[in-house]
Amino acid sequence: GEDVEQSLFLSVREGDSSVINCTYTDSSSTYLYWYKQEPGAGLQLLTYIFSNMDMKQDQRLTVLLNKKDKHLSLRIADTQTGDSAIYFCAESRGTGGFKTIFGAGTRLFVKA
Amino acid sequence: NAGVTQTPKFRVLKTGQSMTLLCAQDMNHEYMYWYRQDPGMGLRLIHYSVGEGTTAKGEVPDGYNVSRLKKQNFLLGLESAAPSQTSVYFCASTPGGPNTGELFFGEGSRLTVL
Repeated sequence: GEDVEQSLFLSVREGDSSVINCTYTDSSSTYLYWYKQEPGAGLQLLTYIFSNMDMKQDQRLTVLLNKKDKHLSLRIADTQTGDSAIYFCAESRGTGGFKTIFGAGTRLFVKA
Repeated sequence: NAGVTQTPKFRVLKTGQSMTLLCAQDMNHEYMYWYRQDPGMGLRLIHYSVGEGTTAKGEVPDGYNVSRLKKQNFLLGLESAAPSQTSVYFCASTPGGPNTGELFFGEGSRLTVL
């Protein structure tokens, strides 16, 4: 199957690190993505990683990819209340969006 | 920059009624998509288009039709709405050719079928 799985909820305190995990099944995925959805809005790309990379860092965001275990994670350092949103993991086997498979999304709650 | 614009943003229908959702993008993107988002299920692809005048079925096409008469517009139609089609609908687009596959989304259209 073409499943992308992630836990549905995560709650952290402001200032702590958040780690959102995702597993995928297609070993031929070329790109893996993290999208963010704020309340009442569409999804926006947060970051992505090419399948030949193990890690990507972008300011407070760190993406780790373990291809052997088909595991992707997103770490948000110094989590702020503005980071409260739904985070979607997605995988793609090509550059056409019709080849992108989304997880169900992880709702991140940040407690002040 | 408008990006991807969806209309209407909210709509309530009765079972059996028909309606059309309009998606417009001003980025000259080749590919356009319609997704539905349901709680706990993520986004599921309904139909997509790889260019003007072309459409194709996605994962959950039943009960929907689409048209792409102009490159910048992608219409999603419900001919006879059913309560199971209560959902939030998202339009998205991507450029053609080699790219990272980033999807550019509209803000969504919330549809309730009574």
